[in-house]
Amino acid sequence: GQSLEQPSEVTAVEGAIVQINCTYQTSGFYGLSWYQQHDGGAPTFLSYNALDGLEETGRFSSFLSRSDSYGYLLLQELQMKDSASYFCAVLTSGGSYIPTFGRGTSLIVHP
Amino acid sequence: EAQVTQNPRYLITVTGKKLTVTCSQNMNHEYMSWYRQDPGLGLRQIYYSMNVEVTDKGDVPEGYKVSRKEKRNFPLILESPSPNQTSLYFCASQDPSTDTQYFGPGTRLTVL
Repeated sequence: GQSLEQPSEVTAVEGAIVQINCTYQTSGFYGLSWYQQHDGGAPTFLSYNALDGLEETGRFSSFLSRSDSYGYLLLQELQMKDSASYFCAVLTSGGSYIPTFGRGTSLIVHP
Repeated sequence: EAQVTQNPRYLITVTGKKLTVTCSQNMNHEYMSWYRQDPGLGLRQIYYSMNVEVTDKGDVPEGYKVSRKEKRNFPLILESPSPNQTSLYFCASQDPSTDTQYFGPGTRLTVL
């Protein structure tokens, strides 16, 4: 089976940088995605890593190390609106190619 | 506008009364899936479909059925709902070129 571990909650202050880690155990690893979900809303796609290294999209970056089965989401210049839940999700080959999600990390940004 | 729609958005029902939650996407995606979300458990996959007439179980399929007669529609059927199926349900379709999931707005179901 597959398993993903991420912290349940992270807090930070406005303007700071925060890193949300995700470790996974799976066979046939294909890629790691990150999604954001505000309270009561639908998850929305943030980033995707299939290869080792850093992918940058504006204030958000995502990193993957396939050899360590580890990735993280980096949020810079935090804003109050970044308070949300963040999910990592693994895609695996040889199966459905539909992601399996972690339990999510609640990010609380304080003024 | 590219979107995934779900109906109803909110539903309160009673144990044993069959219900269907509809899901439709206008992006011509082949892959579609259903998730349920419960506090502390994240998004758990119920069923997925890789094309018309091709469906398969996800991680928590018990008590649910699906059908995929057309590419755009992927309804979720609860033949005999029970209180443990009270949850927030999301339908999603997947862009194969980017492996991005596009989620519907969610259906909050309460089974009494």
